[in-house]
Parts: sequence; structure tokens; C-alpha cells
Amino acid sequence: GAVVSQHPSWVICKSGTSVKIECRSLDFQATTMFWYRQFPKQSLMLMATSNEGSKATYEQGVEKDKFLINHASLTLSTLTVTSAHPEDSSFYICSAVGLTNTEAFFGQGTRLTVV
Amino acid sequence: GNSVTQMEGPVTLSEEAFLTINCTYTATGYPSLFWYVQYPGEGLQLLLKATKADDKGSNKGFEATYRKETTSFHLEKGSVQVSDSAVYFCALSDHGGSQGNLIFGKGTKLSVKP
Repeated sequence: GAVVSQHPSWVICKSGTSVKIECRSLDFQATTMFWYRQFPKQSLMLMATSNEGSKATYEQGVEKDKFLINHASLTLSTLTVTSAHPEDSSFYICSAVGLTNTEAFFGQGTRLTVV
Repeated sequence: GNSVTQMEGPVTLSEEAFLTINCTYTATGYPSLFWYVQYPGEGLQLLLKATKADDKGSNKGFEATYRKETTSFHLEKGSVQVSDSAVYFCALSDHGGSQGNLIFGKGTKLSVKP
């Protein structure tokens, strides 16, 4: 199957700093990428949907100014957590859907810990 | 709104044991249903899917049947192996089978002992 690479796999940052997470489709063009978040013992929850070259669509309750999403090319989307706080500590995972089919391919996920 | 409920883990089994992981859903309309598997250190991978009632998805010895009357999509395998140790997620999509906008269960961690 197609490969989606997410980087970094884990990161620890200080409160108030910003963290960028990258999601790359390695062998296909991803017209749409999705960002999910999973708190401990909770479900994966969709945060936002991004289409290449346009603004991301955020789910209700997700702060767009805090979680900046950039989908500048057909193979790369980034999620930047700005002014991170301990409550942003979570597991973030991306998925990508290509032009030719509806199957979503997932990255490995990023464990963010804000101290 | 739509939701997915799956059995809490962790589940620990001996090799060759029978596996069932329960999953029920709440949805308006006719969603598509999926099981994803996440092996340690890897991303989620689609394990199987079913897009309409009474469909049976199957892959790698795993099966799940879309039961509309009980709103369930339980995952089963007759004989598990150590290599099946992973986290399993049940999910639904109400976007015509697209896997882009998914609603997930909490995940069930399976550990299989030799």
C-alpha cells in the first residue's frame, strides 16, 4: 500500500513554544489530508481537513489559530501547534487520500508532550 | 451524532485462541464500516471494510459482518498468532465509503502470548 510518513514520532516541548508536525505522502499525490488527535483512553477525533492549496476546514471546537495547518503541496501537510500548553499533550495522527481512490493511508502518529 | 463504541482492552490471548472484539455504532443513514490495525511503531492500516448491511469484510483471517439490525461490526479471528499483537480500531464513515472523514472507536489493544 501507499506510504505516509509523519515526523517527528515524538516530541517534548516547553509550554508557550510552537511545534510543527509534518505529514508526507511518499509515493502518491494526496489531494486531501486529515489531522486527528487522540487523548488517553479516548477515540481518535478529527481535527481538520486540508486540501492542497486551500484553507483547512476545522471541526467544531478546534481552534484554527492554535492549530495551524498548511497543505502547500500534494505531498506535504504540516500541523503547527502554536503556544503549546500541557493540555495540548496528545497523540496526533495524519491521513492522506489520493486522487485515484478513497482509501486513506495513515502516518505513524506523533506523541506530543508539553511540559 | 454518529459514534462508535468498541470493547475496552487490553485483551490478552494465547496463540491459536479465538478472538472477538466487539464494535457497535450509532449513525443516521447507511455508513460504511471499517477495522484498522496499528502495529507497534507503525501507522494505522486498513484491515477490512464493509459498505452495506450483511456485507462481510475479511482479510488475513479476520472477519467482520455488517449487522444493521444490531448496529454491530464485531471483529473475529479463529486462531490468533503472536504477530497479530496490535491495537485495533473500529471506525465508520458516513461520506459514501470514503475513508477521509472517519469516526473511530477508542481502540482495543491485543496481546497474543506464545
